[in-house]
Amino acid sequence: DTGVSQNPRHKITKRGQNVTFRCDPISEHNRLYWYRQTLGQGPEFLTYFQNEAQLEKSRLLSDRFSAERPKGSFSTLEIQRTEQGDSAMYLCASSLSPQTSGRARPYEQYFGPGTRLTVT
Amino acid sequence: AQKVTQAQTEISVVEKEDVTLDCVYETRDTTYYLFWYKQPPSGELVFLIRRNSFDEQNEISGRYSWNFQKSTSSFNFTITASQVVDSAVYFCALSERNSGGSNYKLTFGKGTLLTVNP
Repeated sequence: DTGVSQNPRHKITKRGQNVTFRCDPISEHNRLYWYRQTLGQGPEFLTYFQNEAQLEKSRLLSDRFSAERPKGSFSTLEIQRTEQGDSAMYLCASSLSPQTSGRARPYEQYFGPGTRLTVT
Repeated sequence: AQKVTQAQTEISVVEKEDVTLDCVYETRDTTYYLFWYKQPPSGELVFLIRRNSFDEQNEISGRYSWNFQKSTSSFNFTITASQVVDSAVYFCALSERNSGGSNYKLTFGKGTLLTVNP
């Protein structure tokens, strides 16, 4: 059973450039989450999907950020016109929803290794 | 608003000592879930345990144990006979319910850096 994977693992970009990250969740998980973690802090929620529907976006997610999960499988997070303040670890997690029939242990979120973004 | 407080920023122990990591939470929900995650130097968050608000039984898993007390809104984590491999940042987290009543996003504390010295 493969876990959550994220690509790339590291990204260095210049201010003003656009970047895109990809997350592949655990295959049977229908929920997918994006979090951001800055140095010395816990992860902060950005957005989440149930299947292909994006159900909530945090106020942290400015207009420069967009996330998609077009077929309810992998997801992408794009940051346009990056700023130095965007430098952080971007974490993806997946879980089952409680409505998933016959499944135990909903809500447990399993995280990928993260994409570390450095904006110079 | 949900809030998770991990008052201990850093703890340093010598191998084989027991260590307890504190977690205090705030929520107005009656149904909620609490979690502990481990983040080793490699950076990946590793799920350790989930607890729901209706189950106050303490849990033990090998050298790990968890003490959940609703009366004090605490969910503390104890490592018995610590080992160097336990060195990591440990996060406590609380799940929040959406308008539909389903728990979803996690609110994390700031984490406790545990260093176990040989």
